[in-house]
Amino acid sequence: KQEVTQIPAALSVPEGENLVLNCSFTDSAIYNLQWFRQDPGKGLTSLLLIQSSQREQTSGRLNASLDKSSGRSTLYIAASQPGDSATYLCAVGPPRLRNAGNMLTFGGGTRLMVKP
Amino acid sequence: GAGVSQSPRYKVAKRGQDVALRCDPISGHVSLFWYQQALGQGPEFLTYFQNEAQLDKSGLPSDRFFAERPEGSVSTLKIQRTQQEDSAVYLCASSPFPGQGSSGANVLTFGAGSRLTVL
Repeated sequence: KQEVTQIPAALSVPEGENLVLNCSFTDSAIYNLQWFRQDPGKGLTSLLLIQSSQREQTSGRLNASLDKSSGRSTLYIAASQPGDSATYLCAVGPPRLRNAGNMLTFGGGTRLMVKP
Repeated sequence: GAGVSQSPRYKVAKRGQDVALRCDPISGHVSLFWYQQALGQGPEFLTYFQNEAQLDKSGLPSDRFFAERPEGSVSTLKIQRTQQEDSAVYLCASSPFPGQGSSGANVLTFGAGSRLTVL
């Protein structure tokens, strides 16, 4: 059974700092890996999606990397801002072919607080 | 609609009551997923529909949980004889693709969730 772990569980940084969130998974046979953002009382917003054949994806100040062989992904946030405060979730999709690409296994999340 | 809509947003039930949670996906979206998120944890997969067909229900925690999508649009998650351990946020998500799209890039849109508290 796939297990996804995120470290740290919580992180507090001053505004402007660059930071890295870590995600590890036990089964390297994945279809894709996604990073989501969750604000309190709201649903999840997809930030970046990396296919299993890719090594990284970038969107603005965000960069996500994927190392399938070691079962690791990192989310790099450059020049953090108070508006980045949220919970960041990592999720992996299974490799099954039958319409299963979005049956995601999530990590527990990292709660990020960026202080002004 | 513009997004995935879930109702009710908040539900308080006494132990043993039945509850029904509704999900209105984005119009035309083929795939619909239900996830359960306990406090302080990541979401866990419950069940998946492609149009009206329930293709996977392996994540439903017990036979008290039942989901349907009879016309391939709105979905209802029903929980019978609720227990305290059922307290969680229930998230619905939809996608325009039937699981793995042609590009392999699936984009899920999540609703805000229904927070269930069982007393």
